Amino acid sequence: ETGVTQSPTHLIKTRGQQVTLRCSSQSGHNTVSWYQQALGQGPQFIFQYYREEENGRGNFPPRFSGLQFPNYSSELNVNALELDDSALYLCASSTGRGGTEAFFGQGTRLTVV
Amino acid sequence: AQRVTQPEKLLSVFKGAPVELKCNYSYSGSPELFWYVQYSRQRLQLLLRHISRESIKGFTADLNKGETSFHLKKPFAQEEDSAMYYCALSLAYSGGGADGLTFGKGTHLIIQP
Repeated sequence: ETGVTQSPTHLIKTRGQQVTLRCSSQSGHNTVSWYQQALGQGPQFIFQYYREEENGRGNFPPRFSGLQFPNYSSELNVNALELDDSALYLCASSTGRGGTEAFFGQGTRLTVV
Repeated sequence: AQRVTQPEKLLSVFKGAPVELKCNYSYSGSPELFWYVQYSRQRLQLLLRHISRESIKGFTADLNKGETSFHLKKPFAQEEDSAMYYCALSLAYSGGGADGLTFGKGTHLIIQP
């Protein structure tokens, strides 16, 4: 059984650019959630995908978008990067619609300069 | 909107002493509560959930709906308990839809030898 893996582990982007972060879910999991964790804060829910459809969204603007693929891996895309987007982005996989026992990846550290 | 509060940013106790990490939540319904833990250089992982009523690594947590609390307790702290602890809430099974997990800001627990 493989765990949740995220790529890349670190990334530096310039304000205004676009970024794509990737996540491979744990074997057997069909739900992927993305979280943003700013320094000194708890993770904040961005959105969730279940069987390739968005299944819920947190308080993030539309420039945060995502995809889930038939193999349940997922991408998080952020357009028009702002300095405040600098954070650790966590992916979590689980089973079932709204599944809550989430298994987290190690995260992608995004720095916007 | 739901909220999770962890009043202590840092908690330092001596080995063998009792530990209590506080968590309060605000939601009028019946959420599901969790404790997640992040050891140094490791990913975020589930420690326990209230519906399981388990004791994991000597930790227990009781949901008190009257006080809207879910404090984490351990009678005798061990050095390996040093970590970042996050309390989290889910509405997935209370009709709240797929809103992911709502996390507190976390408590850094340090166990001194």
